[in-house]
Amino acid sequence: KQEVTQIPAALSVPEGENLVLNCSFTDSAIYNLQWFRQDPGKGLTSLLLIQSSQREQTSGRLNASLDKSSGRSTLYIAASQPGDSATYLCAACTGNQFYFGTGTSLTVIP
Amino acid sequence: GAVVSQHPSWVICKSGTSVKIECRSLDFQATTMFWYRQFPKQSLMLMATSNEGSKATYEQGVEKDKFLINHASLTLSTLTVTSAHPEDSSFYICSATPEADEQFFGPGTRLTVL
Repeated sequence: KQEVTQIPAALSVPEGENLVLNCSFTDSAIYNLQWFRQDPGKGLTSLLLIQSSQREQTSGRLNASLDKSSGRSTLYIAASQPGDSATYLCAACTGNQFYFGTGTSLTVIP
Repeated sequence: GAVVSQHPSWVICKSGTSVKIECRSLDFQATTMFWYRQFPKQSLMLMATSNEGSKATYEQGVEKDKFLINHASLTLSTLTVTSAHPEDSSFYICSATPEADEQFFGPGTRLTVL
């Protein structure tokens, strides 16, 4: 069964710093990998979707990479802002089923 | 982009009552919808996969008689929590996929059972 792990569980950085969130998965036979943002008490917001044939995706200050062979994905956030504070989840998709990590809680300090 | 709505967004009910949560895809047809549950400080857990016109497929450990799922049309799936108890209090999120690719998530429903 696919297991997804996210490190660190929590991260606190001063505003303006660049940061990296890590996601690892045990089964490399994934269809795609998706990064989400979750604000307290709210649903998920999809940030980036990386197909299994792709190496990275970029959207604004966000860049996500995928290395299927090593079972890893990273989410890079440039020039962090207080508004980036949230929980970030990665999810590995095998067919139509998603396996979620436990998330990284990010706090950006003004 | 594709929009998925959920109703209600927040519901409080007494123990023993049943609660129905609706999930709608507003601008696309979804042959498959998914229901997730999230307990505080835990990750999302898939509860069931719902295919239009057929019975839902439940994940191991999820009671199908307690969590009734109906996917009557290509734009609507409902989750009914029957005889709810305080331990069912959670955040319920649905998602829908127009293709076997990207999932679009609803805003979630917070259920509190007193």
